[in-house]
Amino acid sequence: QVQLVQSGSELKKPGASVKVSCKASGYTFTTYTMIWVRQAPGQGLEWMGWINTNTRIPAYAQGFTGRFVFSLDTSVSTAYLQITSLKAEDTAVYYCARLWTAAGTVDYWGQGTLVTVSS
Amino acid sequence: EIVLTQSPGTLSLSPGERATLSCRASQSVSSNYLTWYQQKPGQAPRLLIYGASSRATGIPDRFSGSGSGTDFTLTISRLEPEDFAVYYCQQYGSSPPITFGQGTRLEIK
Repeated sequence: QVQLVQSGSELKKPGASVKVSCKASGYTFTTYTMIWVRQAPGQGLEWMGWINTNTRIPAYAQGFTGRFVFSLDTSVSTAYLQITSLKAEDTAVYYCARLWTAAGTVDYWGQGTLVTVSS
Repeated sequence: EIVLTQSPGTLSLSPGERATLSCRASQSVSSNYLTWYQQKPGQAPRLLIYGASSRATGIPDRFSGSGSGTDFTLTISRLEPEDFAVYYCQQYGSSPPITFGQGTRLEIK
């Protein structure tokens, strides 16, 4: 069965960096685009962008350029989200999710990773 | 830029009642690529409806989706206790490629 398993919660100081992992199993990793979604505390879902797991080309939503980097290690079917120069407002749950392009929908989600930025 | 507006913000109903949730787009949604998700506290979103009206695998038939163009509806025919959650709509294909609505909270009356 399809699973996306994310790394655990992180507590970071402002200015630090964090790297969240998302390990996929149960399907061929390079046949589905991976998206990243942010959910700030008590707020809604916000699309951050995606990475084409075949071409390795990322695309970033407005507001997520510069400090946010998507990457892959296809040898272990894992996607990564790195955030640099962390700010308090980066505190959120970050989800990876699989994009079923043919249906225009996100069919599988990781469990989410809470990143807390606090001094 | 396409914007999805969900209404109402909060819906208070009792188990057994019918729920009707709305999602309105600021421009036509490409190929009816409109999805509905359910999210419970502390959990990831769960796919309910895709393509505006197709139920995802394992979703009970009390959930149904309808609509086209700019107006879409999620209907829950008879609310079960486990249906009280937040519901999001999402579009794919327009600019930006993925957009979520702000969510509707369905709470027990």
